[in-house]
Amino acid sequence: GNSVTQMEGPVTLSEEAFLTINCTYTATGYPSLFWYVQYPGEGLQLLLKATKADDKGSNKGFEATYRKETTSFHLEKGSVQVSDSAVYFCALSDHNTDKLIFGTGTRLQVFP
Amino acid sequence: DSGVTQTPKHLITATGQRVTLRCSPRSGDLSVYWYQQSLDQGLQFLIQYYNGEERAKGNILERFSAQQFPDLHSELNLSSLELGDSALYFCASSVVTASYNEQFFGPGTRLTVL
Repeated sequence: GNSVTQMEGPVTLSEEAFLTINCTYTATGYPSLFWYVQYPGEGLQLLLKATKADDKGSNKGFEATYRKETTSFHLEKGSVQVSDSAVYFCALSDHNTDKLIFGTGTRLQVFP
Repeated sequence: DSGVTQTPKHLITATGQRVTLRCSPRSGDLSVYWYQQSLDQGLQFLIQYYNGEERAKGNILERFSAQQFPDLHSELNLSSLELGDSALYFCASSVVTASYNEQFFGPGTRLTVL
């Protein structure tokens, strides 16, 4: 079945460091791919999305490119801030049911 | 603020009891999804309703049921509660059912079963 694999956290970085959180997926067909972020004590917010191969999603300095050949959707940011500390979830959308299938989440901790 | 509201925010109850979680989707959204977030299972899809009809089922236990009412709000009923049902329950909504549509998540209901 469809699944999402994310790198385990926590990822600990200093402010202004470069961030990469790896995400790979297994799916039949061509799912849509998403990154959601969960700040402490809050619900999930969509960070960015890509709906077809080679699409690049971007928002708030974060980027991810839908790579069909490597079945990946890695999240990157050039310079993280303390306020980026949160849990990041990679997800795919099953075209048959519209449900989101999530990875296990990666906690990011950014220190000043 | 996503526009999706969930009540209550916190719920503490005992094993064997029954609870109801409520969700109001964003104005105009026809689809409602329920997810469970627990430490051991992560984020799991439970069930989806579209315009009052059940559309998809995930890893939802038989002790759990849901419905979507004519005004599009949804309720998730959890019965014969067990300690392992303690989790954060999220509701999400989207405009229609196409998979490229963003799902907007509510703040969640934290259920603690003692």
